[in-house]
Amino acid sequence: KAGVTQTPRYLIKTRGQQVTLSCSPISGHRSVSWYQQTPGQGLQFLFEYFSETQRNKGNFPGRFSGRQFSNSRSEMNVSTLELGDSALYLCASSNLRPGQGIYEQYFGPGTRLTVT
Amino acid sequence: KNEVEQSPQNLTAQEGEFITINCSYSVGISALHWLQQHPGGGIVSLFMLSSGKKKHGRLIATINIQEKHSSLHITASHPRDSAVYICAALPYQGNYGGSQGNLIFGKGTKLSVKP
Repeated sequence: KAGVTQTPRYLIKTRGQQVTLSCSPISGHRSVSWYQQTPGQGLQFLFEYFSETQRNKGNFPGRFSGRQFSNSRSEMNVSTLELGDSALYLCASSNLRPGQGIYEQYFGPGTRLTVT
Repeated sequence: KNEVEQSPQNLTAQEGEFITINCSYSVGISALHWLQQHPGGGIVSLFMLSSGKKKHGRLIATINIQEKHSSLHITASHPRDSAVYICAALPYQGNYGGSQGNLIFGKGTKLSVKP
């Protein structure tokens, strides 16, 4: 089975622009979560989707948004980019079945975003 | 104070040494994850545990729910074990119907194993 894939792997944007990142989960996984990793704050949870519905959202401003499609692929969007948005953005998928236990997260390689 | 604390922040060991990384958390949890991150960013899930002890090869993870503490042990360490090890707590939400991605991460322990 192919792992979690993320595109693009590297991205350079200018302050004020917007960016869309994509995540394709492991085949059959319907849960996708997004995380931001910065040197200062470490890893932080952004949002989680299951079957096209956002199940949870972390403490990030409204400039950060996401969605999930019927094929479980997910995108996240950051509008009006700020220098502090420079980070490694990771997504993870799991074979979550709500109400049926705790599931392992499988991480993608990440997208490294640099805002200049 | 962070809800998930790891120690030590940095660890240098000689090949063959026994290594312990500690993780303490202040929230009620459904599970605790141990993750490994190599230079370049890729993260691999090592263990997910909610009680007791798990072993995989030279790696052992334990958790004490009452004391809100978990440890990751590496026996016979090797230079290829050099990486950042991160613990992540999944807050308790009453049942398995809740979110499972809203992990609270520790700051990580950077391990360097010298040959």
